[in-house]
Amino acid sequence: ETGVTQSPTHLIKTRGQQVTLRCSSQSGHNTVSWYQQALGQGPQFIFQYYREEENGRGNFPPRFSGLQFPNYSSELNVNALELDDSALYLCASRQMTRTYNSPLHFGNGTRLTVT
Amino acid sequence: AQSVAQPEDQVNVAEGNPLTVKCTYSVSGNPYLFWYVQYPNRGLQFLLKYITGDNLVKGSYGFEAEFNKSQTSFHLKKPSALVSDSALYFCAVRDSVNNDMRFGAGTRLTVKP
Repeated sequence: ETGVTQSPTHLIKTRGQQVTLRCSSQSGHNTVSWYQQALGQGPQFIFQYYREEENGRGNFPPRFSGLQFPNYSSELNVNALELDDSALYLCASRQMTRTYNSPLHFGNGTRLTVT
Repeated sequence: AQSVAQPEDQVNVAEGNPLTVKCTYSVSGNPYLFWYVQYPNRGLQFLLKYITGDNLVKGSYGFEAEFNKSQTSFHLKKPSALVSDSALYFCAVRDSVNNDMRFGAGTRLTVKP
């Protein structure tokens, strides 16, 4: 069973630039979520994709956008980077069920530093 | 909105002693509660979950959690701590409206030899 993989592991960008982070879901999972974890804090929900459509979004501005592909892999795009975007970005996948008891399976994250 | 709170930033225990990491929740409707652990420079790993049923939930690595509806708590426990249990622990609740998982701020557990 292949777990969730993210790339790159580290990234340094300049304020105002754009960034794309990538994620491959765990095999058999059809739902992918993205979280932002600032230093010393818990993960904050950015959005979730199911069947290639966004079906849930947290309190993040539109410059945070995403895609889910037919093979359930996903991208997180952030435009007009700000210093406060510096964080660990976590991708998580799960199998969507009618109940809500399926746990998230996380990748190891991408550490983004904005200077 | 659903939320969880972890009242302790840091918990220190001696190896071999029992450990408890506290979590309280605030939900409307049935709570779907989870515990995750995070090691340095890694993603979160699922430990256990409460959906319905027995109030004592058993999970990975010898951890268990006790669901208490009257106290709205879901404390993580282990009878005998190991040095390798030292990590950051997160309590979380599923928000069925937004389809997201809401995490607490985390508790850093340090187990000393």
